[in-house]
This record gives sequence, C-alpha cells and structure tokens, in this order.
Amino acid sequence: GENVEQHPSTLSVQEGDSAVIKCTYSDSASNYFPWYKQELGKGPQLIIDIRSNVGEKKDQRIAVTLNKTAKHFSLHITETQPEDSAVYFCAASKRSGGSNYKLTFGKGTLLTVNP
Amino acid sequence: DVKVTQSSRYLVKRTGEKVFLECVQDMDHENMFWYRQDPGLGLRLIYFSYDVKMKEKGDIPEGYSVSREKKERFSLILESASTNQTSMYLCASSFFTTGRGPQHFGDGTRLSIL
Repeated sequence: GENVEQHPSTLSVQEGDSAVIKCTYSDSASNYFPWYKQELGKGPQLIIDIRSNVGEKKDQRIAVTLNKTAKHFSLHITETQPEDSAVYFCAASKRSGGSNYKLTFGKGTLLTVNP
Repeated sequence: DVKVTQSSRYLVKRTGEKVFLECVQDMDHENMFWYRQDPGLGLRLIYFSYDVKMKEKGDIPEGYSVSREKKERFSLILESASTNQTSMYLCASSFFTTGRGPQHFGDGTRLSIL
C-alpha cells in the first residue's frame, strides 16, 4: 500500500519567518495531495491541495509544490503568524480497489510560531 | 459550508462494552470515513463507505465494524471495547468519488476505555 513520510515532526520558527514541511510518498499511482491543519480540540481542516497534473499551487501565504518524479511534495508558509501554530498533516490519495479511493496521511508536524 | 457532526466529544466506556460512535454529514456526500488518531501515528483509516449499505475495510479494521443505513449517517461500532481502543476518533465525508477532492472532518470523539 501507500506510505507517506512527513518531516520534520516538530518545527519552531519566529513570527515572520517561513516554514517548510516536506512529505514523500511511495506509490507513483497517487494523484491527489491535500494538506490539513489541525488546531487544538478541532478536526483537521483542508488548507490547500494539489493534483498530480500541477507542479505548484499558491493561496496567499501558503503554497504547495509537487515533484512527481521524486515523489515528494512540500508545504510552504511565508510570513508566519502565531495563529499558524498547529499540527499539519500531508496526505496522498490513490485508488484502493475498484472505483474507491482512500487517503494515506503522514504522521504530522507540530508547527510553533513564536511571537 | 460542509458540516460533519460527531455525536459525542468525550466518551468513557468499560472494557467489554459495545460502543457506538455516530457521525452525520449535511452535504449529501457519497463517501464517509472513520479514522483513529494517536500521538506519533497520525490518522489511520479504519473503515469507509462509498454508498448506503456499502463498506470497505481500511488499514486497521480489526475490532471494529460500521453501519451506513442512511446516506448522511455513518456509525462506528466497537463490538467489545478494549483498552487499546482508547483514542481520538475522527469522521470525515467527501463528495468526490474520483478521490481527487478533499475530505471534510468532524471535531472528533475522544474515547477512553477503562
């Protein structure tokens, strides 16, 4: 099955700095890569996603890049703010059998933005 | 906005009990999912359903079953609860049957088995 590795497991930055979280996946058939942010006491919320026919996507301070050849994708947050502090998860989606798809998640990165 | 509602935020049960976790979504989504979340392990898929009365095993189905009698409701059942099932349980739903779209999560049920 699919295996998603996520690094680092913890990341501490100063407010205003950039943060980068990296993920690798094992199955070249994976075709959709979402990123989720989970705040304390809440469920994961989608913040950005990218499909396999696109190399980069940006939404304000957040960007995601995808390298299909190397099978890795990254989340970039610029001008970090204290409210960016949360656990971030990457995931990869592939067909699980028949017409069904499922997500495999990385283990998460705890991002702390220090004021 | 998509709303995924899990019936309990916190639940405490005893070993051997049959436990039901309920999840309801309000967006007429085809697909629904149950995950458990443990520190250092991320989210792991227990079961999912792509239609009413249909289900498929995820990565860690042992000790669990599911029920989907109506499109909007997906139940996770612990047949005989054990202490190693103490965890955070997350329900999600998704419209995209192609897999190339997001899942929307509830806020979770923190289950403790004593």
